[in-house]
Amino acid sequence: EAQVTQNPRYLITVTGKKLTVTCSQNMNHEYMSWYRQDPGLGLRQIYYSMNVEVTDKGDVPEGYKVSRKEKRNFPLILESPSPNQTSLYFCASSLIGQAGTGELFFGEGSRLTVL
Amino acid sequence: ELKVEQNPLFLSMQEGKNYTIYCNYSTTSDRLYWYRQDPGKSLESLFVLLSNGAVKQEGRLMASLDTKARLSTLHITAAVHDLSATYFCAVAKKLVFGQGTRLTINP
Repeated sequence: EAQVTQNPRYLITVTGKKLTVTCSQNMNHEYMSWYRQDPGLGLRQIYYSMNVEVTDKGDVPEGYKVSRKEKRNFPLILESPSPNQTSLYFCASSLIGQAGTGELFFGEGSRLTVL
Repeated sequence: ELKVEQNPLFLSMQEGKNYTIYCNYSTTSDRLYWYRQDPGKSLESLFVLLSNGAVKQEGRLMASLDTKARLSTLHITAAVHDLSATYFCAVAKKLVFGQGTRLTINP
């Protein structure tokens, strides 16, 4: 089954404790992206990756890191989480270029609470 | 900078009625997407609109794109309770999402 898988789905942590949210897709998509969703703000892009070893900042990258060592995986790293990073996070992927419409396929979401 | 605005942000309607959600965007784009999100769930793709004048329909939902007006609409016909959700539009090339429209359909 084609899917985007995120882990963990729910996490409560404390300020300053490094954490990683994993994202994996099995559709051989070149493009992957991380979004955060906050009430009244829609989805805001954190980082995106056009392909392996190619990553770039989105609209709200501060406090986050990413890596794309393999095509299927795109982890989101919070080196020193703070309470303002409490949010619902979505990973997404798509097939880009002439072969694809750019339609995003989303993971189930990871709800993070930073105390 | 691309800005995407949806309206209304909240919509409560009765079953059987028709209504339209609007998505305006600020810079030229020829590609627009509509997504649906149920409470506590992920986003599900509804429509991909790839050119000016594109119209797509699925059941009671119909989406259209006017790239000259920088406007897309999502029209709901004879609403049913199952359509209660939050609807997002998103505009390429750099995918920017609207704020979402929370739709509630009452019996």
